[in-house]
Amino acid sequence: DTGVSQDPRHKITKRGQNVTFRCDPISEHNRLYWYRQTLGQGPEFLTYFQNEAQLEKSRLLSDRFSAERPKGSFSTLEIQRTEQGDSAMYLCASHRTGNNSPLHFGNGTRLTVT
Amino acid sequence: GENVEQHPSTLSVQEGDSAVIKCTYSDSASNYFPWYKQELGKGPQLIIDIRSNVGEKKDQRIAVTLNKTAKHFSLHITETQPEDSAVYFCAATFSGGTSYGKLTFGQGTILTVHP
Repeated sequence: DTGVSQDPRHKITKRGQNVTFRCDPISEHNRLYWYRQTLGQGPEFLTYFQNEAQLEKSRLLSDRFSAERPKGSFSTLEIQRTEQGDSAMYLCASHRTGNNSPLHFGNGTRLTVT
Repeated sequence: GENVEQHPSTLSVQEGDSAVIKCTYSDSASNYFPWYKQELGKGPQLIIDIRSNVGEKKDQRIAVTLNKTAKHFSLHITETQPEDSAVYFCAATFSGGTSYGKLTFGQGTILTVHP
């Protein structure tokens, strides 16, 4: 169990650019979640996958955001035409199917849009 | 949807004292309540959780209590140590559905333990 891995750890981009983040969940964890955390707040749910299927998207996830998990293993989160309001920590989490499996978080990707 | 309120927003204690953080939730269907500790530059780390069929759970210096009727749950840390200093988040969800990992978090409590 190597933990949930996220890359990059930090990303600085200019407004209007596209960015993509990657998450590698704990192996054999079939459920993968994306959360967003702004300074001084708790994480907020964005979307989640069971295997390769995206099962739910939050209203926070605007049309500029897209997430994929093509082979049911790693996932990517892309933000197009970034805005300053997109600056936040993007957290990935995973767990195994079954209600006794706790949610494990990665260390996040901190995005700064200038 | 679920709404979780957490208090206090900051808590300062002396080493060895106890610390208590309280949360309330709004959705009576919620039945799983984890607590996470987040250190600077890191993701949240699960420290303890409780399900609605249990009123109290303890793990060494950490305990959580749940009052389903009042929709309150609390984190208790005894014999605090400087390494307990971090941001603590409570969360709630309904574990019977497919989106069990879709947690609603409180706003966080910054705990500072002074040596």
